Amino acid sequence: NAGVTQTPKFQVLKTGQSMTLQCAQDMNHNSMYWYRQDPGMGLRLIYYSASEGTTDKGEVPNGYNVSRLNKREFSLRLESAAPSQTSVYFCASSEMWARPGEQYFGPGTRLTVT
Amino acid sequence: GESVGLHLPTLSVQEGDNSIINCAYSNSASDYFIWYKQESGKGPQFIIDIRSNMDKRQGQRVTVLLNKTVKHLSLQIAATQPGDSAVYFCAERVYNNNDMRFGAGTRLTVKP
Repeated sequence: NAGVTQTPKFQVLKTGQSMTLQCAQDMNHNSMYWYRQDPGMGLRLIYYSASEGTTDKGEVPNGYNVSRLNKREFSLRLESAAPSQTSVYFCASSEMWARPGEQYFGPGTRLTVT
Repeated sequence: GESVGLHLPTLSVQEGDNSIINCAYSNSASDYFIWYKQESGKGPQFIIDIRSNMDKRQGQRVTVLLNKTVKHLSLQIAATQPGDSAVYFCAERVYNNNDMRFGAGTRLTVKP
């Protein structure tokens, strides 16, 4: 039981390049999330998927797109990376109706945009 | 705008002492609060939650207190251990079950 896995762990992009961050969970959770964490700040929600087939914007969605590929997988895409998107990105999942705040987080992807 | 915040960015305690980490919130509509722990290089880990119809909830060595009158949340850790050293975040449910807003975090350091 791996929990929540994320790939890659580290990535360096040049401004304007694109990339997709991958996330998968094996806990059969309905809800999945993408957050970013900047130094000295808390987590900020980018997008979430309450259930397979649905996605919704969070607090900071600009510059990102997401795909809920199936119940297990939720990907985050940066179409044209900008230095302001340098951050650590965390994916999480939860069984929303049971205990909404009990989210399980992956190990994170550290992204640097130059 | 309304946001979740913390009184102190760092806290240093002696091993074996009790720790109290504080959090202020300003969104009066928030009805659900959570504490997370984040160790260096790892993702956050759920500790405990509390709904606004309660003022206290206990877990294993942790207690969360909610004071709605002054919009204050605290996390108490009993008999603090070196393994408790981490950054602790409070979060509140603002709009729906999927949208939690996190504070900036308090770094707890446990001295041996």
